[in-house]
Amino acid sequence: QSALTQPPSVSGSPGQSVTISCTGTSSDVGSYDRVSWYQQPPGTAPKLMIYDVSNRPSGVPDRFSGSKSGNTASLTISGLQAEDEGDYYCSSYTSSSTWVFGGGTKLTVL
Amino acid sequence: EVQLVESGGGLVKPGGSLRLSCAASGFSFSSYNMNWVRQAPGKGLEWISSISSGSSYIYYADSVKGRITISRDNAKNSLFLQMNSLRAEDTAVYFCARLIGWDYGDHWGQGTLVTVSS
Repeated sequence: QSALTQPPSVSGSPGQSVTISCTGTSSDVGSYDRVSWYQQPPGTAPKLMIYDVSNRPSGVPDRFSGSKSGNTASLTISGLQAEDEGDYYCSSYTSSSTWVFGGGTKLTVL
Repeated sequence: EVQLVESGGGLVKPGGSLRLSCAASGFSFSSYNMNWVRQAPGKGLEWISSISSGSSYIYYADSVKGRITISRDNAKNSLFLQMNSLRAEDTAVYFCARLIGWDYGDHWGQGTLVTVSS
């Protein structure tokens, strides 16, 4: 149950786009379209931003999009806003009927 | 409105036990699978356990297997996590989350802090 690999940090200026990668294995990300992304501002609970690779829950701006290629999933945030700052985590269902999270990526809006 | 409220956290000595609860409201609790996820101070999220809607299917992370037990009482809309033989590395905020299928957690509680220290 090794964690998925995310970059520790990304940054961008308001209005720009950033992409956060999430690399797993053929036992998790590569085998299932069950990748989700969560936003966690400091001191708060995680909030679902993307589910099943590329679907947005109601209320999540369409600036947030997800994709997957092979063992790597990606979250792209376009038109960056100051309120987008926080930690982002990917997660995947696994072949062992368990879950695995990424190590988290800190997004800074410059 | 979906609400999940965790309770039961606190300070416990190494080797001790604690039982966490997650009170659910605003939805048909008995129809949903549920997760426990924890977050050590300054660290990332770690999945630790899942339970199916009717308790038929239960899964644990290797890091806690044999020391924790997940359970639920659908009549009382409650989820539980019994933690035994606690270690310093179990210190974390523990979140419960409602699952959609087994795919993702669409609602999360605010968490309860467990501190294991002598």
